[in-house]
Amino acid sequence: KAGVTQTPRYLIKTRGQQVTLSCSPISGHRSVSWYQQTPGQGLQFLFEYFSETQRNKGNFPGRFSGRQFSNSRSEMNVSTLELGDSALYLCASSWVTGPQETQYFGPGTRLLVL
Amino acid sequence: EDQVTQSPEALRLQEGESSSLNCSYTVSGLRGLFWYRQDPGKGPEFLFTLYSAGEEKEKERLKATLTKKESFLHITAPKPEDSATYLCAVKETSGSRLTFGEGTQLTVNP
Repeated sequence: KAGVTQTPRYLIKTRGQQVTLSCSPISGHRSVSWYQQTPGQGLQFLFEYFSETQRNKGNFPGRFSGRQFSNSRSEMNVSTLELGDSALYLCASSWVTGPQETQYFGPGTRLLVL
Repeated sequence: EDQVTQSPEALRLQEGESSSLNCSYTVSGLRGLFWYRQDPGKGPEFLFTLYSAGEEKEKERLKATLTKKESFLHITAPKPEDSATYLCAVKETSGSRLTFGEGTQLTVNP
């Protein structure tokens, strides 16, 4: 089975621009979560989508948004980029069977805001 | 609020020198405790999910254990390729997010 894929892998933007990142979960996984990873804050939860509905949201400003499509692929958008948005953005897809759960991460998108 | 603390922050071992990493957590109700390995510039690689106190899981040189307040990741006879950052995360019963610790950066010297 193919793993979680994320595109693009690297991105350079300037302040004030917006960016859209894409994530394709493992086939059959319906839950997709997004995380931001920075050296200072570690891994921080952004939001989770399940069957096209946002199920949970982290403590990030409204500039960060996302959506999920009927094929479970997900996108996240960051508008009005700030220098502090430079980070590794990770997508994870989850498989839950009863009480058992695994959550697999993609390789991430490295965003640099200049 | 869920809290996860990992120790030590960094650990240097000689090849073959066994040791343990610690993950202390505070959560209202634990759905699962997750261990990941992360190499520089890559996404976290799933290792284990533990669900209840007393549970143990093994994979090659790694063994994870869980108590009501902490989890240990035991590394037996490590090799240089085990060098990575090991991350611990918890998910509470009523939530869907993972709360991560800061990680332990492990270096295994040949």
